[in-house]
Amino acid sequence: DTGVSQDPRHKITKRGQNVTFRCDPISEHNRLYWYRQTLGQGPEFLTYFQNEAQLEKSRLLSDRFSAERPKGSFSTLEIQRTEQGDSAMYLCASSYARRGEQFFGPGTRLTVL
Amino acid sequence: GQQLNQSPQSMFIQEGEDVSMNCTSSSIFNTWLWYKQDPGEGPVLLIALYKAGELTSNGRLTAQFGITRKDSFLNISASIPSDVGIYFCAGLFLGTASKLTFGTGTRLQVTL
Repeated sequence: DTGVSQDPRHKITKRGQNVTFRCDPISEHNRLYWYRQTLGQGPEFLTYFQNEAQLEKSRLLSDRFSAERPKGSFSTLEIQRTEQGDSAMYLCASSYARRGEQFFGPGTRLTVL
Repeated sequence: GQQLNQSPQSMFIQEGEDVSMNCTSSSIFNTWLWYKQDPGEGPVLLIALYKAGELTSNGRLTAQFGITRKDSFLNISASIPSDVGIYFCAGLFLGTASKLTFGTGTRLQVTL
C-alpha cells in the first residue's frame, strides 16, 4: 500500500497562468476527493469522484477550476487564469464508497505571485 | 464553507500530561473522524467513529462519539514531543453525503 500521492508538492506560478495538479489514490479505492486548505483553516471540500464520475462539486469550485478522473484511477485538478486568492494547499483523498475513512495525500502547495 | 468548532484553539502542555479536546457541530453526523496534521503535510487519520456513544482507542489516543451525534472528543494520554501538530475533527453523514466537514483545528505544542 503506497498511500495517496500528489504531484507536484509545490508550485509557484504567476497570476494568470494555468496550473495542473495530479493525484494518485490508493489503488483499491473507488472514491477520490479534492479539498483546499488555507493557512489556519481546516480543509474545505471542492469535489469528488466515484470511479470516473464526478458526483458533487462545491460552490468553491469556480468555473476556472476543472477536475477529471478519466479512467477511474488518477485525477487531475486544473486551475485556469490563476489568481492570488487561489494560493492554498490542495489536498487529495481517497476512500471506499461504503466506508467513511478518507486517506489524504501530502498535498500540493500553490503560491500565486 | 461551514467549519466545526474545536476547543481549545491551541494548547501548551508539558511532556507526560494528558490532553483533551472537543469538537461541536450544529448538524448531526453519523461518522466522526480525527486527523493530525504536521506542517506542510496532509492530514493523517487517527481514529474513526461510527456509532453514537462509541469509545475507540488507538494507542495513547481515545476518542468518543457524542450521544447527541453533534459532538466528539479526543484524549491523548501521556503526551510526548511527537504529539506536536494540529488536530482536526471531521464529520460526515455517510450514506447521503460524501464530503468531510472539518473543524477549525486544535494546535498542540508540548514543552519538555
